[in-house]
Amino acid sequence: GQQLNQSPQSMFIQEGEDVSMNCTSSSIFNTWLWYKQDPGEGPVLLIALYKAGELTSNGRLTAQFGITRKDSFLNISASIPSDVGIYFCAGQPTSNYQLIWGAGTKLIIKP
Amino acid sequence: GAGVSQSPSNKVTEKGKDVELRCDPISGHTALYWYRQSLGQGLEFLIYFQGNSAPDKSGLPSDRFSAERTGGSVSTLTIQRTQQEDSAVYLCASRPRGLGSGELFFGEGSRLTVL
Repeated sequence: GQQLNQSPQSMFIQEGEDVSMNCTSSSIFNTWLWYKQDPGEGPVLLIALYKAGELTSNGRLTAQFGITRKDSFLNISASIPSDVGIYFCAGQPTSNYQLIWGAGTKLIIKP
Repeated sequence: GAGVSQSPSNKVTEKGKDVELRCDPISGHTALYWYRQSLGQGLEFLIYFQGNSAPDKSGLPSDRFSAERTGGSVSTLTIQRTQQEDSAVYLCASRPRGLGSGELFFGEGSRLTVL
């Protein structure tokens, strides 16, 4: 089946640093979404993208829908301790197709 | 509560036993999903309910897995004759009509451990 390649698998950063992670697909997607999951919780939607080239911000988070429609990235600026968690990308080839999920990027902030 | 509610939060069972996991979606949400999340993995789609339409069962891994949604609200995921590989967190999500089909509201999950 279709898969998303999400990288990096994990990131160790200092508080205040900027973070970047991305997802790629072998096929075209019509929708890209980014979720965050805290320990013991379900994923929470951060940003949804619906148009190729779309760049959307949500506070310190910025995500882009790649122009080729086969990739997306998420940036976090000036990281803070509450940013720790696992970030998942998810995408849909069409709107009536179930979401396909990346394996997640675990963000860890070094004390 | 205001969010998606799942129970039990933790379930330990012996191999071969049946288990039932319950999901209470957000009131008024028409769509309901079940996902499975194994340790360190992304989410694996299991089943999708939308209103009165026939459910999309394409993600159920075997005939030991079934789910129903009564009255368009509460859903129960049943796993019969559990196996150790069924150990995972089972997440339920709901979505209101009018939102993008990927914009889901998740519960906290039910962690299943099969000994």
